[in-house]
Amino acid sequence: EPEVTQTPSHQVTQMGQEVILRCVPISNHLYFYWYRQILGQKVEFLVSFYNNEISEKSEIFDDQFSVERPDGSNFTLKIRSTKLEDSAMYFCASSVRQGEQFFGPGTRLTVL
Amino acid sequence: AQSVTQPDIHITVSEGASLELRCNYSYGATPYLFWYVQSPGQGLQLLLKYFSGDTLVQGIKGFEAEFKRSQSSFNLRKPSVHWSDAAEYFCAVGPFSGGYNKLIFGAGTRLAVHP
Repeated sequence: EPEVTQTPSHQVTQMGQEVILRCVPISNHLYFYWYRQILGQKVEFLVSFYNNEISEKSEIFDDQFSVERPDGSNFTLKIRSTKLEDSAMYFCASSVRQGEQFFGPGTRLTVL
Repeated sequence: AQSVTQPDIHITVSEGASLELRCNYSYGATPYLFWYVQSPGQGLQLLLKYFSGDTLVQGIKGFEAEFKRSQSSFNLRKPSVHWSDAAEYFCAVGPFSGGYNKLIFGAGTRLAVHP
């Protein structure tokens, strides 16, 4: 069964450093998303991406964040200068159309 | 504004007992509704979804949920809980008019199962 994969599973970085989180969505999906979950809190939408551009973003997704689909398979989330409060689990998801989203296992980001 | 409320933060049941997890949503129309489960250290797995039609939907692992428009609810049920059902359960709603599939999640209900 196809699944969304994410790498790395855990990323530790120093405050102010850039990080890139990687995701491989399900191959025939057209919509891609990033969500995050701060420890003990709810899952929050960050951004959705369709047809090679951002289709919607939340207020969390400020200028420090960017997304890219550099090739036909990968979907990345970049945080330019990490802050302590960026520490969270980041989930990638994909969908064929509106509705059901398939989530990856997540990348735990720890900012020291 | 759209929102999802899961009133129960933590629920403990005995193995073999029945389970109902509550979910209420706030939205002007009928959204798509989802239940996801997250085991410790794992990602989000879709249990079931409601798009339209029959208001009682069946999902994986023996779960079902009932959409009640009059109560803006989408409660998750299971007749007999297994120890392996211990996890966190998230209700989600979406997409929204003009949106592109953004899901809004509730705060989650953590389920503990006693032997």
